[in-house]
Amino acid sequence: GQNIDQPTEMTATEGAIVQINCTYQTSGFNGLFWYQQHAGEAPTFLSYNVLDGLEEKGRFSSFLSRSKGYSYLLLKELQMKDSASYLCAVSSGDYKLSFGAGTTVTVRA
Amino acid sequence: IAGITQAPTSQILAAGRRMTLRCTQDMRHNAMYWYRQDLGLGLRLIHYSNTAGTTGKGEVPDGYSVSRANTDDFPLTLASAVPSQTSVYFCASSDGSSGANVLTFGAGSRLTVL
Repeated sequence: GQNIDQPTEMTATEGAIVQINCTYQTSGFNGLFWYQQHAGEAPTFLSYNVLDGLEEKGRFSSFLSRSKGYSYLLLKELQMKDSASYLCAVSSGDYKLSFGAGTTVTVRA
Repeated sequence: IAGITQAPTSQILAAGRRMTLRCTQDMRHNAMYWYRQDLGLGLRLIHYSNTAGTTGKGEVPDGYSVSRANTDDFPLTLASAVPSQTSVYFCASSDGSSGANVLTFGAGSRLTVL
């Protein structure tokens, strides 16, 4: 089975930086994904890491350490529209995605 | 607009009734999935299909069945609904079952079983 842990909630101020950590234990590993989900909407893809290191995409960056079973999503220059749930997901040996419970980020003015 | 269409958007159902959630995609993706999302538990895989004509069980398959008669459609059936199946159901698809398997999700179907 898969075990994926991430914090339940985080709060930050507009313009600030927030880092969402994700730790995982899986049988097999074929990549780690981050999805964003606004309340009442479908999840949408943010990033994918399969090798160790940092992937940067505009204001969002994602980091992976396979040896530590650890990833983080970094959100910079926070905007009100970034208030959402952020889902960490791991692709295991059979390429199926298993999701963490999600981290709800609230951005305050 | 290309994407995934789910129906119904929302449904209230009496326990014991049969219900089929519909999912159609127009992206010609090979793989399709059904997840349920419950507060505090995240998205859990119910069933999946890597290609038309094949299906497989996910993490929580009991009480659900699927079929994949063609590439576009992937209906999820609850043969006899129970209150624990109250959830938001998301259908998803991807263009492959390996590598950077990025999922595209439908808007979801909110099901309440009384």
